[in-house]
Amino acid sequence: DAKTTQPPSMDCAEGRAANLPCNHSTISGNEYVYWYRQIHSQGPQYIIHGLKNNETNEMASLIITEDRKSSTLILPHATLRDTAVYYCIVRVVGNQFYFGTGTSLTVIP
Amino acid sequence: EAGVAQSPRYKIIEKRQSVAFWCNPISGHATLYWYQQILGQGPKLLIQFQNNGVVDDSQLPKDRFSAERLKGVDSTLKIQPAKLEDSAVYLCASSLETGTGGYTFGSGTRLTVV
Repeated sequence: DAKTTQPPSMDCAEGRAANLPCNHSTISGNEYVYWYRQIHSQGPQYIIHGLKNNETNEMASLIITEDRKSSTLILPHATLRDTAVYYCIVRVVGNQFYFGTGTSLTVIP
Repeated sequence: EAGVAQSPRYKIIEKRQSVAFWCNPISGHATLYWYQQILGQGPKLLIQFQNNGVVDDSQLPKDRFSAERLKGVDSTLKIQPAKLEDSAVYLCASSLETGTGGYTFGSGTRLTVV
């Protein structure tokens, strides 16, 4: 049962940064924040995860607030191929991933 | 590395018929998962295997769904008999171990029950 709140949809101009918010106000100390995305007709794709510190990889950056009650996924230069549903999930290591309905991001040319 | 392979890609059956889906996980991945994704919803876990043993099947409708993972590699998910509400995408995922890493998902099988 999803413990996160995300806006149902967002738009972003191509080439600009996409900032996707996620609220997880009841997160426990041992729960990680994960982000996946699902492009139409494909399975979900793992993007990034973190516990406390901000994280960056070749796909995105994850910013977690100091109180860990919210986070933001940043796609620095959005392209049309980034149009997808983005899922924010909190998870204790070893437990399953509970997917909510996510944020549908549309990148506009 | 090769991804998670699933087949068939699409399947249309009549209600009360049976259907089977196949999954080949990434080589060396001990943990395998089957998810069901109904249109407009996020994926929901049906069953989790660790090698060839079931770890969690609490959300699997066992009166009609069954799954097996012989020899701890490939897995098959079966529905018998199918109902209209089983129309969904069935996703298979695998992971190296139950650590902090994410899962790798296949592209899924889209089932339509008419």
